[in-house]
Amino acid sequence: GESVGLHLPTLSVQEGDNSIINCAYSNSASDYFIWYKQESGKGPQFIIDIRSNMDKRQGQRVTVLLNKTVKHLSLQIAATQPGDSAVYFCAENSFNYGQNFVFGPGTRLSVLP
Amino acid sequence: DGGITQSPKYLFRKEGQNVTLSCEQNLNHDAMYWYRQDPGQGLRLIYYSQIVNDFQKGDIAEGYSVSREKKESFPLTVTSAQKNPTAFYLCASSRLFQETQYFGPGTRLLVL
Repeated sequence: GESVGLHLPTLSVQEGDNSIINCAYSNSASDYFIWYKQESGKGPQFIIDIRSNMDKRQGQRVTVLLNKTVKHLSLQIAATQPGDSAVYFCAENSFNYGQNFVFGPGTRLSVLP
Repeated sequence: DGGITQSPKYLFRKEGQNVTLSCEQNLNHDAMYWYRQDPGQGLRLIYYSQIVNDFQKGDIAEGYSVSREKKESFPLTVTSAQKNPTAFYLCASSRLFQETQYFGPGTRLLVL
């Protein structure tokens, strides 16, 4: 299949381990964040979002953590499975600025058997 | 079955030719977007539309054109003025501008 990103940072984890994917965002005024998963040759899928009035949000097997002090967002995937192999990227937005989301380039997650 | 569809999955363009990429959504979303994705880069916004019959240029609109005659449809034309069109093109929609965006499956454009 086609590569979404040829020179992305890569995280390799063993099946069953937990994965942590990081994202540094640029705008201190950003107040809404989304994590997307993109498999090779496909469109991005929404995973989880978080607003700036929260530090943590949990979904099914995924947790997003937001540290506004250092402008850092992370996605934790519990018990990583082969189907989790994909590129993960974050998106940030500031409602006050009336602008569109800014998307990071992403991290490639590779799950080892 | 609600969602966003894009067609075709692959598109080949000859030099000097205009080509049109289709994007349709049945989510009743007001806002629609077109992005270009190149290897190792984040998504870059080409055009967006907040409402029918209105659209705005994004960061890289040169060489592209759009229309929004129906709420469900937001086609993108890659004109001959776009000198480096080879990329993966993604359409997205959201209920309102700045809300969560949902993406279509993408169209890969290749130049012959």
